Amino acid sequence: QLQLQESGPGLVKPSETLSLTCTVSGGSISSSSYYWGWIRQPPGKGLEWIGSIYYSGSTYYNPSLKSRVTISVDTSKNQFSLKLSSVTAADTAVYYCARGPKAGTPLDYWGQGTLVTVSS
Amino acid sequence: EIVLTQSPATLSLSPGERATLSCRASQSVSSYLAWYQQKPGQAPRLLIYDASNRATGIPARFSGSGSGTDFTLTISSLEPEDFAVYYCQQRSNWPPEYTFGQGTKLEIK
Repeated sequence: QLQLQESGPGLVKPSETLSLTCTVSGGSISSSSYYWGWIRQPPGKGLEWIGSIYYSGSTYYNPSLKSRVTISVDTSKNQFSLKLSSVTAADTAVYYCARGPKAGTPLDYWGQGTLVTVSS
Repeated sequence: EIVLTQSPATLSLSPGERATLSCRASQSVSSYLAWYQQKPGQAPRLLIYDASNRATGIPARFSGSGSGTDFTLTISSLEPEDFAVYYCQQRSNWPPEYTFGQGTKLEIK
């Protein structure tokens, strides 16, 4: 059974860089069949796609966040990571990692999510 | 950018009733639409993909329909565990960008 697990600091200071890692178990991140993505959800609000990465390193970002986002992959560790720079309180959210079939629409496996709070 | 608009924002029903949730796309997404259920403190769970296909393990009371710009998620007879927030989602073909609707909260009447 595929599992995804987010990890990283739960508190980040304004103007600093948010860094999270998603560890994939029960399957290979090097599969040619999937994208691996990050989605966030501010408290009490809806879902926002941040960006996705393919095992080859190709990246796709939400245009509204593109200038601040970097997603990378480490196939040797079966992990992919998110960096979001110059954070503000508006970046406070639960951050999820998820898998999406390359040939399909949905995000079929999700991590449990991790709350990141931006505060001094 | 394709915008997904869900209605209603909140739906108040009783167990045993039928629920009908709507998702409208700002331009055609063919049948490439998914539905998710999210309960408090949990990650979204995939219910329906490609407009009408139930994901693995999803009960038959959940069904999806529609194509083009208008889609519907129907729960035929509500169980207590079905009260949650529901999101629709689409993915553009290229580049692969995902967008979500704003959600419909299904609450107990």
